[in-house]
Amino acid sequence: LAKTTQPISMDSYEGQEVNITCSHNNIATNDYITWYQQFPSQGPRFIIQGYKTKVTNEVASLFIPADRKSSTLSLPRVSLSDTAVYYCLASNSGYALNFGKGTSLLVTP
Amino acid sequence: NAGVTQTPKFRVLKTGQSMTLLCAQDMNHEYMYWYRQDPGMGLRLIHYSVGEGTTAKGEVPDGYNVSRLKKQNFLLGLESAAPSQTSVYFCASSTRQGELREQYFGPGTRLTVT
Repeated sequence: LAKTTQPISMDSYEGQEVNITCSHNNIATNDYITWYQQFPSQGPRFIIQGYKTKVTNEVASLFIPADRKSSTLSLPRVSLSDTAVYYCLASNSGYALNFGKGTSLLVTP
Repeated sequence: NAGVTQTPKFRVLKTGQSMTLLCAQDMNHEYMYWYRQDPGMGLRLIHYSVGEGTTAKGEVPDGYNVSRLKKQNFLLGLESAAPSQTSVYFCASSTRQGELREQYFGPGTRLTVT
């Protein structure tokens, strides 16, 4: 399971686009990149998953360059309800031994 | 469709007591997991199961035992609770079908050991 590195925290204003970058230098060929969102006192919730290039769903976009050593989660036009912790995982099995501390995103008016 | 449920939601134990946390899922998922989350930390995998009757250790298995007698249930046991096991425990499940490796998490069990 590849080790990932993310910023500890980020701040944003409502309506802005937020990009959270995750570094995974030792990612394996068959690893997928998965992002989860966690609100206080709740379990994590799946946001998006990808292998390469770009993936988009109704919630976010995931950009993965050709070398796959990093990925960027993009949240368009964030609202106060997007304040949460975001975790990046690089795994071929979908689970992780350790989610790491994630990125704590604070959205303010 | 309830998804993943956990019982109980809260529990206070005295050091040395035992208890079992129950996780149930109604999505017919093959894989199930137990994580713990300490304040300000991410989730750490305790044990997991890839199918009925099989279990495996995660990153922090010491002090815990698990059983998967039925596909839909995954039990986490603490034989002799210690204050270091005070944490929030999350159960999750996932399917091995297809490429998507999405885990579905339960609401958590907040355990305090005094």
